[in-house]
Amino acid sequence: ILNVEQSPQSLHVQEGDSTNFTCSFPSSNFYALHWYRWETAKSPEALFVMTLNGDEKKKGRISATLNTKEGYSYLYIKGSQPEDSATYLCAFYSHGNKLVFGAGTILRVKS
Amino acid sequence: DTAVSQTPKYLVTQMGNDKSIKCEQNLGHDTMYWYKQDSKKFLKIMFSYNNKELIINETVPNRFSPKSPDKAHLNLHINSLELGDSAVYFCASSPRQARYEQYFGPGTRLTVT
Repeated sequence: ILNVEQSPQSLHVQEGDSTNFTCSFPSSNFYALHWYRWETAKSPEALFVMTLNGDEKKKGRISATLNTKEGYSYLYIKGSQPEDSATYLCAFYSHGNKLVFGAGTILRVKS
Repeated sequence: DTAVSQTPKYLVTQMGNDKSIKCEQNLGHDTMYWYKQDSKKFLKIMFSYNNKELIINETVPNRFSPKSPDKAHLNLHINSLELGDSAVYFCASSPRQARYEQYFGPGTRLTVT
């Protein structure tokens, strides 16, 4: 059974704070790691798909890193804004053609 | 233009009924999925089709039957609905299989009374 763990479960920060979350996944049979942003009452939207050990991806103030050998990925948000409030999901893809999602990290940014 | 659409958005029905949820994508993707968001808010894969062929069939009661008439559509039919089927069901699509980012529909909230 594949296990994808995300921490922390939830996070409350002030506007302007920088923050980061962790996604842990099995280090064997790695194929890809996805990050999604899920706002309340909407559907998940892809942020990054990462496939190579050492990958770093960036989109605006959000960036992510990947370590496939030890089985973790970090998502960073620089200078959090209230509109960053959402649930951030990671999902692990190994062989078997399916994504296994973590439970998510709920981020709330107070202005 | 909506990339992945689902109908209906809300569905309230009684136990024992049969219902369908429809999904359509206009992205030209080969692969479509059904996910169930469970009571703990986890997204769990139920089914996946690639070019109308079933490629993933997770441990789902056989009351749930997906149908893909063409690669742009993936419908979910549920027979003999039970209380435990109440959940939000999301359809998604991707260019190929799950190595590529997935595009999600808005979800269908099913309530079984």
